[in-house]
Amino acid sequence: AQSVTQLDSQVPVFEEAPVELRCNYSSSVSVYLFWYVQYPNQGLQLLLKYLSGSTLVESINGFEAEFNKSQTSFHLRKPSVHISDTAEYFCAVTLTYSSASKIIFGSGTRLSIRP
Amino acid sequence: GAVVSQHPSRVICKSGTSVKIECRSLDFQATTMFWYRQFPKKSLMLMATSNEGSKATYEQGVEKDKFLINHASLTLSTLTVTSAHPEDSSFYICSAMTSDQPQHFGDGTRLSIL
Repeated sequence: AQSVTQLDSQVPVFEEAPVELRCNYSSSVSVYLFWYVQYPNQGLQLLLKYLSGSTLVESINGFEAEFNKSQTSFHLRKPSVHISDTAEYFCAVTLTYSSASKIIFGSGTRLSIRP
Repeated sequence: GAVVSQHPSRVICKSGTSVKIECRSLDFQATTMFWYRQFPKKSLMLMATSNEGSKATYEQGVEKDKFLINHASLTLSTLTVTSAHPEDSSFYICSAMTSDQPQHFGDGTRLSIL
C-alpha cells in the first residue's frame, strides 16, 4: 500500500522568506507525485507533478519540488514567498496516470505568511 | 485548461432532508469521477470512485445507501446525501479525469445540516 506523510501541519514564515514543505512517501512500486494547493473554501488546484524525467519540477508561480528516490521524498520549496501563497498544500501520490488510479493524499500543510 | 464545475457551492438544510450535489466536467469527457469528503483542517478522504454507466465503488466505511452516486453521462456525476444529519456536515469535493489527464477538482460544496 502507498502512503504519504507531511510532517509539518503548519508552517509560518515571513513574507519574502524561503520555505520548504516536506513530503515523504512510501511505496513498493513506482509512483507519480503531485503537489496540490487549496485556497480557503475552494477545491484543489494542481501545483506541480512528477511523472518521469528530470527530478526537479517547477510551477509557474515560483514553487519547485525535487523527487528524491533514495530518500522517498518530494519536498516543495519556494525561495521567496508572498502573502498570496497562504494556503493549504497537499502532497499526493498515485500508482498510475490513468482513470483507474486513486490519489493518496497527505494530511496537508498550512502555509501562513506573515507580513 | 480542464475545468470541473461543482454545484451548489454552499447549501444549508434541515436534518432529515436529502441534498444533491452536481459535478460537471465542462470541456472534457470524464471517464472517471471521484467524490471526496474533507473535514475541517483535515485532508481529503476518498468516498467513492464513479465510472460512467456503472455502479460506483465505495471506500471502506462509506455507506452507499447514505451517499448515492450517479454517473449518468461522461460529463455529469451527482452525489446525493440522503436523510442528512448534522454529522454529515462537511466539505465535499469532486474530481474528474480521463486516461490522459490527471484529476481536476471542483471548487467543493460546503454542506451544513441544521
